[in-house]
Amino acid sequence: EVQLVQSGAEVKKPGESLRISCQTSGYSFSSYWISWVRQMPGKGLEWMGGINPHDSYTNYSPSFRGHVTISVDKSISTAYLQWSSLKASDSAMYYCARRSGITGTDLWGQGTLVTVSS
Amino acid sequence: DIQMTQSPSTLSASVGDRVTITCRASQSISTWVAWYQQKPGKVPKVLIYQASNLESGVPSRFSGSGSGTEFTLTIRSLQPDDFAFYYCQHYKDYPETFGQGTKVEIK
Repeated sequence: EVQLVQSGAEVKKPGESLRISCQTSGYSFSSYWISWVRQMPGKGLEWMGGINPHDSYTNYSPSFRGHVTISVDKSISTAYLQWSSLKASDSAMYYCARRSGITGTDLWGQGTLVTVSS
Repeated sequence: DIQMTQSPSTLSASVGDRVTITCRASQSISTWVAWYQQKPGKVPKVLIYQASNLESGVPSRFSGSGSGTEFTLTIRSLQPDDFAFYYCQHYKDYPETFGQGTKVEIK
């Protein structure tokens, strides 16, 4: 079965670091980009950035560049989204998604809820 | 960067109605558009890809059209399960921006 399984909910304090994961299975990990999408409470979907697992080439939305880092570990078919210093405004649901060249974003993880509060 | 302007933001309709949601791209994106449905607390689900191709398993009352800068998602004969949020997204190049979303609510 093709699936993306994300790590569990996180509760952090402002200034802390965090890395959330997206473990894939059932397909060739290196053949599809992985995107990360943010959804703040009660708001719409925001494309944050993506990574080509084949060569770790990344592309970020200008809104998120410099604030988050996207990476992969090909050996375990897993993508990551990380912050070095969280802000309260980073509280949101974060989705990873598989990016197909023809069909676009065709498969989504279940989401990871990040809460940043002092 | 390519911007996607989606309208309306809210649409009130009744079961059986035909509804249309529009997305306008800030520059030509050929047919590189997908449409998603999201229900509260759930993961987005792809309905349409490449502007007009119906994703496998999606009911045929959903259809998409358009090319260049103007795109539409049409729901023919709205069903109770269709009351949800809908988003367009372009994937012409990076960043792959989403529209602002449309809430389809019961009239």
